[in-house]
Amino acid sequence: EDKVVQSPLSLVVHEGDTVTLNCSYEVTNFRSLLWYKQEKKAPTFLFMLTSSGIEKKSGRLSSILDKKELSSILNITATQTGDSAIYLCAVDEVGSNFGNEKLTFGTGTRLTIIP
Amino acid sequence: GAVVSQHPSRVICKSGTSVKIECRSLDFQATTMFWYRQFPKKSLMLMATSNEGSKATYEQGVEKDKFLINHASLTLSTLTVTSAHPEDSSFYICSAEGGFFGPGTRLTVL
Repeated sequence: EDKVVQSPLSLVVHEGDTVTLNCSYEVTNFRSLLWYKQEKKAPTFLFMLTSSGIEKKSGRLSSILDKKELSSILNITATQTGDSAIYLCAVDEVGSNFGNEKLTFGTGTRLTIIP
Repeated sequence: GAVVSQHPSRVICKSGTSVKIECRSLDFQATTMFWYRQFPKKSLMLMATSNEGSKATYEQGVEKDKFLINHASLTLSTLTVTSAHPEDSSFYICSAEGGFFGPGTRLTVL
């Protein structure tokens, strides 16, 4: 059974700290790994990772994929209160039959930044 | 952990037909479910919030007569795309309260 596991489940840090969120996966037909930030309504897309070892960066956020370890990390440096959210990891698969695809989400990491 | 399923996983239909997508919570009850549409650059747009026993709450810009949502029971919400057009082709994802996402349904309208 395909699964995506995120850790920790919850994290509370002080503003200015650096955090690392983890995502590991076991899926059949990996295509890409996606990171989202969910605050209120729809999750906001952050990164899509397809190749191992190539860091994607956007401001204070960065992420990297390790296909050998079947995992990814999301780093946030110099955290701010606005970074408080649930961070979701999802793995995008191509199905066993051509064209069938699947998106498997982890349960998320709830990040709280204390001023 | 909690599992949410969607059916079908993929559907191809002709323009003008209606398509129903089911979202089920398999081992828990969900009073609230959410329907999203994923765009090509992987962003997710919340379309509507489905409430068991009452009308769905639609986001601004989403046509309620085109995207019919029925939350008939605590384990099932359905999204019906009526009179589908090629621009409705997308990947539709549901989630249940608690942040449990379904695997998505790929709709292709010819």
